[in-house]
Amino acid sequence: DMKVTQMPRYLIKRMGENVLLECGQDMSHETMYWYRQDPGLGLQLIYISYDVDSNSEGDIPKGYRVSRKKREHFSLILDSAKTNQTSVYFCASSLRNSGNTLYFGEGSRLIVV
Amino acid sequence: KTQVEQSPQSLVVRQGENCVLQCNYSVTPDNHLRWFKQDTGKGLVSLTVLVDQKDKTSNGRYSATLDKDAKHSTLHITATLLDDTATYICVVGDRGSALGRLHFGAGTQLIVIP
Repeated sequence: DMKVTQMPRYLIKRMGENVLLECGQDMSHETMYWYRQDPGLGLQLIYISYDVDSNSEGDIPKGYRVSRKKREHFSLILDSAKTNQTSVYFCASSLRNSGNTLYFGEGSRLIVV
Repeated sequence: KTQVEQSPQSLVVRQGENCVLQCNYSVTPDNHLRWFKQDTGKGLVSLTVLVDQKDKTSNGRYSATLDKDAKHSTLHITATLLDDTATYICVVGDRGSALGRLHFGAGTQLIVIP
């Protein structure tokens, strides 16, 4: 079953709290991504991971960090969440040599108050 | 500056009607263009991918065209159904591998009414 699973799906945090968003995939894809989606904007790339412990900043990495210790698992961490990080976060995965075929999770909606 | 522009921003059609969604982009190089469907509160699901200089694809009631010279793509939905209500997102990739960058449009929100 080809699936990208995100947890939690919904989260409310207070400003300054830490946030952990988790993503798993069962396709042995080397490459995994974290995006955020805001109204009126296209998805923006936060971080990309090419494999275990091989992570690169995307277009908007400030305020975020990631962890990839197993190929099937990719975490997004917000240390001291800010209200402008309220968004829907999407995880995706792809094969290294087929980066045009992305599989997306269903999203994690984060509200920071 | 936004490199992928989609129009219209939103569209309401009656069930059974046809509709056309537009995508204009300035991404260079433009290796491929993909259309995604995003149901409310869900992830993106791929509908079709276009690769050639002038390309056409068909997937059931969805058909798409790409003209790389004009940097323009269209998504046609024939005989719309209520389940077609969703946001349709155009994505342009500058390479075929994961080393490339994907450029996302903001989407067209399609609402199909009875």
